[in-house]
Amino acid sequence: GEDVEQSLFLSVREGDSSVINCTYTDSSSTYLYWYKQEPGAGLQLLTYIFSNMDMKQDQRLTVLLNKKDKHLSLRIADTQTGDSAIYFCAEVSGNTPLVFGKGTRLSVIA
Amino acid sequence: EAGVVQSPRYKIIEKKQPVAFWCNPISGHNTLYWYLQNLGQGPELLIRYENEEAVDDSQLPKDRFSAERLKGVDSTLKIQPAELGDSAVYLCASSLGTDGGEQFFGPGTRLTVL
Repeated sequence: GEDVEQSLFLSVREGDSSVINCTYTDSSSTYLYWYKQEPGAGLQLLTYIFSNMDMKQDQRLTVLLNKKDKHLSLRIADTQTGDSAIYFCAEVSGNTPLVFGKGTRLSVIA
Repeated sequence: EAGVVQSPRYKIIEKKQPVAFWCNPISGHNTLYWYLQNLGQGPELLIRYENEEAVDDSQLPKDRFSAERLKGVDSTLKIQPAELGDSAVYLCASSLGTDGGEQFFGPGTRLTVL
């Protein structure tokens, strides 16, 4: 079955880059997503990448996909205190439901 | 444009009581999802609707949970009777398409069962 793994915690200093990693098991994943969840809020879609791409850049966000290793990463450049949140990696394949990882809690130290 | 609306935001009940959650998706979104999010976990799908049809309810504990989306817009999720282990955040999401990816989430209802 599908499984999405993420490290649980990441702490960075303001202004540094953050890299959040994710591994997944379903080789037939079509899209991979990064969602952000702030305290007491629902999930907000940050960015996504189609499985035939290996990189996508969107302002401060860079997504890298290594399909061979089933590894996805999210890089946040110039990390700000407002980036402190939980980041979820998720995959979807065909008509199956979106499968989320447990989330990585990013703490940004001023 | 209004986002996904959920109510109530918080609910505290005693075990064995019934409880209901309401969701109003983004206008025009045909697909609606209910998720369960336990503390420290990612959301887990309970049920997915395409219009008024439940197309995936395989993870819904049907002995105590029920859901409806009668007119293909608003949806209600009910638990009867609630158990201590049901304490969690219940998230509603909607999407325009049916590929399951680009979903828009509501703020959730935090349920505490005492």
